[in-house]
Amino acid sequence: GENVEQHPSTLSVQEGDSAVIKCTYSDSASNYFPWYKQELGKRPQLIIDIRSNVGEKKDQRIAVTLNKTAKHFSLHITETQPEDSAVYFCAAHFYNQGGKLIFGQGTELSVKP
Amino acid sequence: DGGITQSPKYLFRKEGQNVTLSCEQNLNHDAMYWYRQDPGQGLRLIYYSQIVNDFQKGDIAEGYSVSREKKESFPLTVTSAQKNPTAFYLCASSTVYTGELFFGEGSRLTVL
Repeated sequence: GENVEQHPSTLSVQEGDSAVIKCTYSDSASNYFPWYKQELGKRPQLIIDIRSNVGEKKDQRIAVTLNKTAKHFSLHITETQPEDSAVYFCAAHFYNQGGKLIFGQGTELSVKP
Repeated sequence: DGGITQSPKYLFRKEGQNVTLSCEQNLNHDAMYWYRQDPGQGLRLIYYSQIVNDFQKGDIAEGYSVSREKKESFPLTVTSAQKNPTAFYLCASSTVYTGELFFGEGSRLTVL
């Protein structure tokens, strides 16, 4: 079935360290993989995305890598700051019935000063 | 000012009552979605629509209904058949081609 698995569910790091969140997906036809950040009580905000024609994409301290063969992708945050503390969701686009985004379960990232 | 507007932001309902959550977008997006989020949980897809007058069930459609009479509007009705409706509901839209979702601010429903 259509599924996205995300790990870990919680992640605590010291300010300045790196954080890595990993996701796997079930449909090899998926070709769009966004990452969203959600602060408490607010809507998710897109922070970075990647399409299947590239293996890596960077935006300042954030990067995403994609391994289509293994059907997994990862979010990397370097030089973490307290304001990076939030819940992060990965998602994959599934094309069955016209296309839809299915989300992972989320990772609660805590950056300690 | 383009975007997605959800209303109401907060809603209280008695058990056994139906309630309708509004979602309007002026982004000219073809696709619209409803997700449910429970505390500490991910986003689960309730219904989605790629075109006017057509919609598909997501993973947790039981107890919910939708309509798509206009491109700009995708209201969600939480019926009395939904046994545990207390949650945060998020509406989103996207172009069919890019897949990037734009979210509304959400509606928090509490059943008393």
